[in-house]
Amino acid sequence: DAGITQSPRHKVTETGTPVTLRCHQTENHRYMYWYRQDPGHGLRLIHYSYGVKDTDKGEVSDGYSVSRSKTEDFLLTLESATSSQTSVYFCAISPERSQPQHFGDGTRLSIL
Amino acid sequence: EDQVTQSPEALRLQEGESSSLNCSYTVSGLRGLFWYRQDPGKGPEFLFTLYSAGEEKEKERLKATLTKKESFLHITAPKPEDSATYLCAVVPNDYKLSFGAGTTVTVRA
Repeated sequence: DAGITQSPRHKVTETGTPVTLRCHQTENHRYMYWYRQDPGHGLRLIHYSYGVKDTDKGEVSDGYSVSRSKTEDFLLTLESATSSQTSVYFCAISPERSQPQHFGDGTRLSIL
Repeated sequence: EDQVTQSPEALRLQEGESSSLNCSYTVSGLRGLFWYRQDPGKGPEFLFTLYSAGEEKEKERLKATLTKKESFLHITAPKPEDSATYLCAVVPNDYKLSFGAGTTVTVRA
């Protein structure tokens, strides 16, 4: 299995609070991605990174920010969480953008 | 806008009963198509990459095929351990994947 660790695995928080999810990889892959998965929807790309300090937006980036200060870590921040951001969040990595992405086991986030 | 539709949404099979899952797509230039398997509470696990129409890939009881508008995942003589949700994802020109919502397969012994 690809060495991807997401933390925390579960989190419950309140509307309006900031939340940061972490993705850590041990594969030294260049590309890292954040997705959300909701019932009835496919995985939707939030943001991705193509190197340290290099990030770009995905399909559903509003309300989210990311940072990558080291190759191995990619952080996803919800500046002020809303109930619509309740979801399961997945991190993925790939060595190049054309190659298959490998996923972590997700963070289940509930915003009350 | 890229669109990926998987059908059926759910599929219940008897052990040994072969079937096929469909992934149809409209995309701005297809660089490739990925198939994944996802178990409950886990992240998607990569199965196959297909790059061009006519290509086929096989792994155990699974075979994936690709045409210009759709891909099929054939499950031959499935076993209960093949129960999972199967996801397809298209790779468009900008390399930002579009995923289908998945087909949940349940195989009964």
